[in-house]
Amino acid sequence: QVHLVQSGAEVKKPGASVKVSCRASGYTFTGYFMHWVRQAPGQGLEWMGRINPSSGETNYAQKFQGWVTMRRDTSISTAFMELTRLRSDDTAVYYCARDNGYFDHWGQGTLVTVSS
Amino acid sequence: EIVLTQSPGTLSLSPGERATLSCRASQTVSFSYLAWYQQKPGQAPRLLIFGASVRATGIPDRFSGSGSGTDFTLIISRLEPEDFAVYYCHQYGNSPTFGQGTKVEIK
Repeated sequence: QVHLVQSGAEVKKPGASVKVSCRASGYTFTGYFMHWVRQAPGQGLEWMGRINPSSGETNYAQKFQGWVTMRRDTSISTAFMELTRLRSDDTAVYYCARDNGYFDHWGQGTLVTVSS
Repeated sequence: EIVLTQSPGTLSLSPGERATLSCRASQTVSFSYLAWYQQKPGQAPRLLIFGASVRATGIPDRFSGSGSGTDFTLIISRLEPEDFAVYYCHQYGNSPTFGQGTKVEIK
């Protein structure tokens, strides 16, 4: 059974960085790309980028290039998303989602609150 | 980037009624790489349909998807109480994008 378990909620000050983790189980971690999607309060879904856990290769949405970094640690089947230079409008729930072409399994979400 | 426009923004219906949700793309969605998700408050999105018309595992047959090219539709044939939620379309080509969502609310 596929599970994606994310790290807990974070509160950060503007200008800080946040790192969210997504631990995968129930399948071969390196066999599926992992995506990150965020959702601001009351808003829709926004694709941030993806990582190939096998090679580490990443593709970021143009909006996030230069301030998001996605990594993985295959020894613990975990993907990471780090967002730097946080602003108040980065307050959102951040999701990881497994790529089976479409996004067939999602993590439970991590709320990141940016506030001074 | 392919922009997906969903309509209507909100659909007010009663249990047992039929819901028709639309998703229009700004460019052709290759290979019908179009999915639909359901999201309830405080929950992650749940995959309903992929490949425009294929139901995901465990999804009831009252949910059906259709369309190709730039016009796609999700139909819920008879609304159950648990179907009131927000629905998103998603094109999963090279640079994925989502529609802005349609809220299906109880009338």
